[in-house]
Amino acid sequence: TQLLEQSPQFLSIQEGENLTVYCNSSSVFSSLQWYRQEPGEGPVLLVTVVTGGEVKKLKRLTFQFGDARKDSSLHITAAQPGDTGLYLCAGAAVMIYNQGGKLIFGQGTELSVKP
Amino acid sequence: DARVTQTPRHKVTEMGQEVTMRCQPILGHNTVFWYRQTMMQGLELLAYFRNRAPLDDSGMPKDRFSAEMPDATLATLKIQPSEPRDSAVYFCASGRFLRGTEAFFGQGTRLTVV
Repeated sequence: TQLLEQSPQFLSIQEGENLTVYCNSSSVFSSLQWYRQEPGEGPVLLVTVVTGGEVKKLKRLTFQFGDARKDSSLHITAAQPGDTGLYLCAGAAVMIYNQGGKLIFGQGTELSVKP
Repeated sequence: DARVTQTPRHKVTEMGQEVTMRCQPILGHNTVFWYRQTMMQGLELLAYFRNRAPLDDSGMPKDRFSAEMPDATLATLKIQPSEPRDSAVYFCASGRFLRGTEAFFGQGTRLTVV
């Protein structure tokens, strides 16, 4: 069974602080995605990382895929109250017998940024 | 603006009743996922389809849950009979299968079984 463990589960910080969220697994994924979810809504895709070691930046957010394609991190610089939400990582299973693409989610990190 | 549409948004039902949730995936997407979200378990994958064929429904309690795609514009998730422990938010998501399917989620169906 493929599992993704996210840490921390909860994070409460002040505006302007930096933070990092981790997503770890013992399984290899063909790609890893990060989503953000707000109350009452479905998760919204932020980024997809595909290549081991890949780093992608989205304004103040930096995403990294581990070299072995088993883990990922999300770093937010100078967090703002608008960053508050549930951050989810999701791993896409490696293609096996045409059954790849299965998307498994971590438990999520609930981020609260206080002004 | 293309989006995944789920109906109903909210459903309250009595234990033992049948519940049907519907999803209209984004046109052109060949993969559909059904997830259940609870505080305790997070987002659990119940089933997923590619080109309307079920690929994996191992996350679903088979005795009471069933998922189908009667055509490319409709996916359904049924619970019969429903139980209080089925109370959760059920999400449908669709995407195009590439190296890793990027999922576009609907707004979910909040199910309460009393």
